[in-house]
Amino acid sequence: AQSVAQPEDQVNVAEGNPLTVKCTYSVSGNPYLFWYVQYPNRGLQFLLKYITGDNLVKGSYGFEAEFNKSQTSFHLKKPSALVSDSALYFCAVRDKNSGYSTLTFGKGTMLLVSP
Amino acid sequence: DARVTQTPRHKVTEMGQEVTMRCQPILGHNTVFWYRQTMMQGLELLAYFRNRAPLDDSGMPKDRFSAEMPDATLATLKIQPSEPRDSAVYFCASGLRAGGSYEQYFGPGTRLTVT
Repeated sequence: AQSVAQPEDQVNVAEGNPLTVKCTYSVSGNPYLFWYVQYPNRGLQFLLKYITGDNLVKGSYGFEAEFNKSQTSFHLKKPSALVSDSALYFCAVRDKNSGYSTLTFGKGTMLLVSP
Repeated sequence: DARVTQTPRHKVTEMGQEVTMRCQPILGHNTVFWYRQTMMQGLELLAYFRNRAPLDDSGMPKDRFSAEMPDATLATLKIQPSEPRDSAVYFCASGLRAGGSYEQYFGPGTRLTVT
């Protein structure tokens, strides 16, 4: 079985400050990891993924995430937050050994960036 | 710019009525997913198809929900009879299974309200 935990329901940060949205995962094998963002009244949009290789993954809109196998984490980061980054962020995982294509999503973390 | 489309975007109906939601996946994508999003449960996978064949619908209440893909350009999710607890946003997503490197592309969702 695979699972994802996003321990924070909400993260507040001031514009211009760095931001981190936390994610930990559990899979029986090796993971594929993803971050998605959801703006109000919209569907989820793909931000970035880790499949293999470099542990630091760069994605859209200046976001990046670091895969840490020993801590089973995949935290989302951005050096300087924008008000327009305010949205709901989802972490997702899939076990590489799984025969299915399904992703397991976390509950989501609301990011609020204040001016 | 290829996108997943969903109709209707909003639906208000009375308890006991049939509801049909439609999804047009991105051309060439061979997997289609149906999700339900609520404040309480977050994002739940209801069903998914690969090459139009249902692979997993364990997340769906079988007595009232049904999902089909009549052809490669159309996926449907039907609720009959609808109940107030079905009120949620229903998302369709499509993807292309090519090794492990794929993402799911989400539609804008159908916001269902059952009174």
